[in-house]
Amino acid sequence: EAGVTQSPTHLIKTRGQQATLRCSPISGHTSVYWYQQALGLGLQFLLWYDEGEERNRGNFPPRFSGRQFPNYSSELNVNALELEDSALYLCASTLRGRTGELFFGEGSRLTVL
Amino acid sequence: SQKIEQNSEALNIQEGKTATLTCNYTNYSPAYLQWYRQDPGRGPVFLLLIRENEKEKRKERLKVTFDTTLKQSLFHITASQPADSATYLCALPPPSGSARQLTFGSGTQLTVLP
Repeated sequence: EAGVTQSPTHLIKTRGQQATLRCSPISGHTSVYWYQQALGLGLQFLLWYDEGEERNRGNFPPRFSGRQFPNYSSELNVNALELEDSALYLCASTLRGRTGELFFGEGSRLTVL
Repeated sequence: SQKIEQNSEALNIQEGKTATLTCNYTNYSPAYLQWYRQDPGRGPVFLLLIRENEKEKRKERLKVTFDTTLKQSLFHITASQPADSATYLCALPPPSGSARQLTFGSGTQLTVLP
């Protein structure tokens, strides 16, 4: 069974540009979570999508947005990039309504120069 | 919101010893608590989930305790090996009825010395 896949693995952008990160959940999983992990810091919750809808978002500015597609894959967009957006962006999936484990992808490393 | 505190410093132990990591939380008592392992530059991997009505849970060399009175969970690795070196994260759900995202602690970096 394929795990959660994220692309790209690495992305380098300059300030003011836009970045798009993609996530494919495990087959059958309908919930997708996005977390940001800046270097040396913990995971900060960004967005939660379930059944194609945004269910909740963390304390991030509106330039962080995303969507979930009918096949439950998801996209995270970061507009007007700032230096402090440099981080590992992690996507996780789970079955809807389950209180069990989150299955994480390997992340997308975004560097803003 | 929930505040989670893990061992504030990295933990170094000798191979073969038992590593004990601490996760303390404030505010509400969660229905369950999870532990994850994260290797450098990689996504976290789920290890164990313990529910509020469970005092202890074991999986191979891993043991987790959950004390809702102390608002604390302890994570033990017995007979530790260098391959156990990683950052260990505890994670808690939000209060019942609200959104489902987990809140993660900042983690404890464990190094097992050969």
